[in-house]
Amino acid sequence: QQQVKQSPQSLIVQKGGISIINCAYENTAFDYFPWYQQFPGKGPALLIAIRPDVSEKKEGRFTISFNKSAKQFSLHIMDSQPGDSATYFCVAEASGTYKYIFGTGTRLKVLA
Amino acid sequence: KAGVTQTPRYLIKTRGQQVTLSCSPISGHRSVSWYQQTPGQGLQFLFEYFSETQRNKGNFPGRFSGRQFSNSRSEMNVSTLELGDSALYLCASSLWGSPDEQYFGPGTRLTVT
Repeated sequence: QQQVKQSPQSLIVQKGGISIINCAYENTAFDYFPWYQQFPGKGPALLIAIRPDVSEKKEGRFTISFNKSAKQFSLHIMDSQPGDSATYFCVAEASGTYKYIFGTGTRLKVLA
Repeated sequence: KAGVTQTPRYLIKTRGQQVTLSCSPISGHRSVSWYQQTPGQGLQFLFEYFSETQRNKGNFPGRFSGRQFSNSRSEMNVSTLELGDSALYLCASSLWGSPDEQYFGPGTRLTVT
């Protein structure tokens, strides 16, 4: 019940295309869902985050869609660029636990 | 301001030895979390400290331990190293702990031979 399932494991997108990464969870206590981006040799960095009281959040080319009833959320990267090539992690956390549960990661490659 | 620093960046140890990894958080941050990253298991939570107190820990054996000092710097220790402990160990700092944004360091790459 502590797992966060993430798909796909890897994704190849043409420059200018839309990248979509999906995540699902079981634990209804989760109430904070950030996405992290990791480049090779670097630690993960926060990209965008959402709470279950909103169904969508957009920051620039990055959008999180959240479906509370289905316990699913997804990251959309619009107009994908080669510089977006990285590994993306969805994360879930329950308030007061101070513990991030990471998805398994999606390796995104954007072709120029 | 300076980011999270981790030392050493790379470490090679032999089975049975012990190792201590260090993490210096961003100035003013009082929460430090540790994660283990491996290709097979992904990123797994080890423990979180705030003001020298451990607030949560993950499902790791007692060989994994940590502590935090009064200046918020943190160390983690792994005793009796096993081959499976080879991983990238990441620490992250934040002001008060999640859900405050967590800033990750570059990690320490530990190889156990």
